[in-house]
Amino acid sequence: DVQLVESGGGLVQPGGSLRLSCAASGFTFSNYAMSWVRQAPGKGLEWVSTITSTGGDTFYADSVKGRFTISRDNSKNLLFLQMNGLRAEDTAVYYCAKQMEVILTQFDNWGQGTLVTVSS
Amino acid sequence: DIQMTQSPSSLSASVGDRVTITCQASQDISKYLNWYQQKPGKAPKLLIYDAFNLQTGVPSRFSGSGSGTDFTFTINSLQPDDIATYYCQQYDDLPLTFGGGTKVEIK
Repeated sequence: DVQLVESGGGLVQPGGSLRLSCAASGFTFSNYAMSWVRQAPGKGLEWVSTITSTGGDTFYADSVKGRFTISRDNSKNLLFLQMNGLRAEDTAVYYCAKQMEVILTQFDNWGQGTLVTVSS
Repeated sequence: DIQMTQSPSSLSASVGDRVTITCQASQDISKYLNWYQQKPGKAPKLLIYDAFNLQTGVPSRFSGSGSGTDFTFTINSLQPDDIATYYCQQYDDLPLTFGGGTKVEIK
């Protein structure tokens, strides 16, 4: 079975940094695009970033471009999200989500999420 | 960006009722639409992909239809386990965008 387990969330001050990780298992990680999707408290879903299967291409929502960096380690089946310059509006549960072999596809498996709280 | 407008934002129905949710895209997205179910405190779950294809393991009471800009999600015979918020999502182009969600409750 596909498993995605996020970690790294927590409380951080505005302007601070945090690195999220997602450990993947149960599928050939290096074959699939991966994404981060977030959900602010009581709000809907917002796509944050996607990385291609090889890691060669990355894509970002305008709201995080220049502040967040997505990356992956296919040798260790790990997905990352480096978040710098955090703002109060970045407070959300961050989900790691598996896509298909290409980026414009469905999110067919999701992690349980990790909460990021940006507050002083 | 492609805007996804979902309606209604919430609904209340009885067990056994047929429930319909609509999703309208701001431009033609062909069949590139998915539907997700999210129960309180849980991660979203893919139910329907490519507008009408049922994800493996999803009960057949769930269905989807539509193409272009107008899409429909239906629950035939609502069950207590279906209490959740449902989201549509387009993947015709980046940024990937979601509808605002429809909260389904039992009357």
